[in-house]
Amino acid sequence: DQQVKQNSPSLSVQEGRISILNCDYTNSMFDYFLWYKKYPAEGPTFLISISSIKDKNEDGRFTVFLNKSAKHLSLHIVPSQPGDSAVYFCAAMGSGTYKYIFGTGTRLKVLA
Amino acid sequence: DAMVIQNPRYQVTQFGKPVTLSCSQTLNHNVMYWYQQKSSQAPKLLFHYYDKDFNNEADTPDNFQSRRPNTSFCFLDIRSPGLGDAAMYLCATSRALAPETQYFGPGTRLLVL
Repeated sequence: DQQVKQNSPSLSVQEGRISILNCDYTNSMFDYFLWYKKYPAEGPTFLISISSIKDKNEDGRFTVFLNKSAKHLSLHIVPSQPGDSAVYFCAAMGSGTYKYIFGTGTRLKVLA
Repeated sequence: DAMVIQNPRYQVTQFGKPVTLSCSQTLNHNVMYWYQQKSSQAPKLLFHYYDKDFNNEADTPDNFQSRRPNTSFCFLDIRSPGLGDAAMYLCATSRALAPETQYFGPGTRLLVL
């Protein structure tokens, strides 16, 4: 039973355009969410987070949106750059728990 | 640079031959985690240490053990690797338990022959 789903295994976007990566979750107790980026042969690196008390968090070119009623979050990258090409994982954690549940990842390819 | 280091990066072992993967950190974080990630799957938490307290996930096979001799080091021992244990093993650390950002090492890819 996958509680965190990234339904798009891959996404291709032209350089300079917006990349939108989506993540759906089923557990309404999740209240903290992270996005990680992973390059080949490297571990995941933290990108951005959002708490359930917010619906948006922004950090430079990266913005995460949270829609609690739809149990959906998305990561927007504007403008996309070739260096953004990587696998992106979303992860969710429930209040009072200690562990993150990860999605299966979306491979983003930004075309020059 | 403070970081999480995993050795070796690639490990080949034989079916049933014990293997140990190692993780060290210079972040001085209290919590260390071990994840297993199989191809095209989500990372799956095996267990974690909060300081010296060990916490095993309910569905982690008994074949998997861990040791944390000090703050900096944590080991993953697979007592009798099976073909199904071939995977990427990721070590991560965090300052405290949730909600905290976890910092990952580069992973060790285990191949079982």
